[in-house]
Amino acid sequence: AAGVIQSPRHLIKEKRETATLKCYPIPRHDTVYWYQQGPGQDPQFLISFYEKMQSDKGSIPDRFSAQQFSDYHSELNMSSLELGDSALYFCASSFREAPGAPGEQYFGPGTRLTVT
Amino acid sequence: GDSVTQMEGPVTLSEEAFLTINCTYTATGYPSLFWYVQYPGEGLQLLLKATKADDKGSNKGFEATYRKETTSFHLEKGSVQVSDSAVYFCALSQYSGGGADGLTFGKGTHLIIQP
Repeated sequence: AAGVIQSPRHLIKEKRETATLKCYPIPRHDTVYWYQQGPGQDPQFLISFYEKMQSDKGSIPDRFSAQQFSDYHSELNMSSLELGDSALYFCASSFREAPGAPGEQYFGPGTRLTVT
Repeated sequence: GDSVTQMEGPVTLSEEAFLTINCTYTATGYPSLFWYVQYPGEGLQLLLKATKADDKGSNKGFEATYRKETTSFHLEKGSVQVSDSAVYFCALSQYSGGGADGLTFGKGTHLIIQP
């Protein structure tokens, strides 16, 4: 079965640079979520999109932005990178079965971002 | 805000031992509850879920019951295997206003099963 695809899998950037992470949801899934997992930490919810519109917002820094495109893939843009942004970034997708019931979240393998 | 508290690890057990990983939550309303498992170098996989009080989620020999009165969702398995070694996350989700709310995770419990 098709899974969530994230690219790149690994990314190394220097401080103050920008980075763009991409997420391709499972076919027919209409909702995308972004999470950040620091070393030895639990995943922290950043932001979600449903049908190309922002749906929920978590602890996403102002330096980060994201969007969902017409083909439902999503991109997380990160600017003015800091050392503390080094983490594993997960994308998850789900299918909204009914209003108020977004469905199970399926996670991608993650993008490991290292800021030096 | 919502929060999830789970027992600190690592938890080390021998193969075929009984497993319990405690999880309690604080949330307004009636959240859905989940257990996710993360193997080294991999993403999170949904292990089981429960969407209302007294529901029991089960999968691959693991079980957890949604207890509203004690705000708990403890994970149990009768006989663990070496292949169960992983990090286990308890999580909750609120579907408020029809939005696609993100999951709130606990800190994770590292489970080590020795042969």
